[in-house]
Order: sequence, then C-alpha cells, then structure tokens
Amino acid sequence: QSVLTQPPSVSGAPGQTVTISCTGSSSNFAAGYDVHWYRQLPGTAPKLLIYGNNNRPSGVPDRFSGSKSGTSASLAISGLQAEDEADYYCQSYDTSLSGGVFGGGTKVTVL
Amino acid sequence: EVQLVESGGGLVQPGGSLRLSCAASGFIVSTYEMNWVRQAPGKGLEWVSHITTSGSNLDYADSVKGRFTISRDNAKNSLYLQMNSLRVEDTAVYYCSRQSEYYDSSGYLFDPKPMDVWGKGTTVTVSS
Repeated sequence: QSVLTQPPSVSGAPGQTVTISCTGSSSNFAAGYDVHWYRQLPGTAPKLLIYGNNNRPSGVPDRFSGSKSGTSASLAISGLQAEDEADYYCQSYDTSLSGGVFGGGTKVTVL
Repeated sequence: EVQLVESGGGLVQPGGSLRLSCAASGFIVSTYEMNWVRQAPGKGLEWVSHITTSGSNLDYADSVKGRFTISRDNAKNSLYLQMNSLRVEDTAVYYCSRQSEYYDSSGYLFDPKPMDVWGKGTTVTVSS
C-alpha cells in the first residue's frame, strides 16, 4: 500500500485528455511538500516529467501539465499520443516516514 | 555527459549480502543529494535510501532499515548500497538517482528536490 495513491490505470483515445490523480495526506502534500512526476517506459529507468507540482523540464512538451492542491495532485496529458503509453509515478516526501515516497504508479493506455 | 551507472547486482541466497555501486560521471556526487530506488518485478517504484551532500544524514525506508547502508566515496565519485541479511522480497532492479535544486520564478526551492538523473539500474535476485 503506497503512501501516495494513484489509479492503477487510465486510458484514452488519441487526441483526448487523460488525468492521473495522486492522493496524499497531512504528512506529505498538506505539510507543504511538493510533488514530482516521472514517466517510465517498459524496461527503462524512470525519467523526470514534471517537477515542483507544475513545471516541465526542458524537452517535455506542454501537453503535460501538473497541479497540486491540499492533499491531492494530478497530472494531465492532453492531445494523447501513442507514444504516451507508459507508467507514470508521483513522488514527494513524507514527514511521518522521514523519507521519499512514490505513488503506486498508473499505466496509461492509448486506445 | 551526466551519467549514473549501477553495478554489483546478481543472484544471492536469502541471508546473504551484496554491495551495489553507482559510478557518476559529468558531475560531482558529493555536491548532490543521492538516492537508491528499487522496483520489484512487475511492481512500482520504492524509495530505499538517501544521503545528503555532507554525508551526515542517511535515511532509509522502514523495509530496509538496519540491513542496508548507503555510503559515498568522493575520490571515486561513486555511491554505494551495502545490503545485508537479504530477503526474497528485496528482489528488484535497483536504481541510483540524483536530486537537484530547482527553483520557481520567485526563488522558492522546491522540496523535496526532484530526481533528475537516473541510472539504468542493476538487478538483484534473492533466491535459494
């Protein structure tokens, strides 16, 4: 059971928008810690996708956007493309665990 | 080129030990906070351990506390994970990662720092 809760899977047709939720608690998001998102293609290492709740590293298209409010965060992928099929993870820090925490991961499928 | 390369994984029996290494290039390991993150087969990412730039603060997930030790060799520009008393449930791909400072337009430093560089991982299999 992950400290940060994500849906196991989401799907959408090409061109649509999908949203991945990440639910935290008073010991992480509500304590003021920021959320980061990573994308992982099969058999490869995770890659930073969104940092600081809603910021994109250089090279990440603006189809990807993030938000955070209270105990929840979300990642939106607009204009869904076949290449967006991957696993997506949210990540933050938890004061009760005194360490980093990841969401359980969400598999995005393009129909 | 900024790069992390893990090594040292392999097959070990329950109760055994392994030492993972993570060689950094293109940056100085001692100037960044570093982590080990693992991924069991078919499962999600799990944070394992963290070391601060000073090396004075070491953090561990409850699942490995007392059995794993993170360390760093500045001369070799490398990060290590000593794993003792290994269990079947420690079977995973182990990644080392770098945390970097990122700021917003007002100068706010995002906390925690994001993991912006990852190695390709090394596989640890604990089985009899």
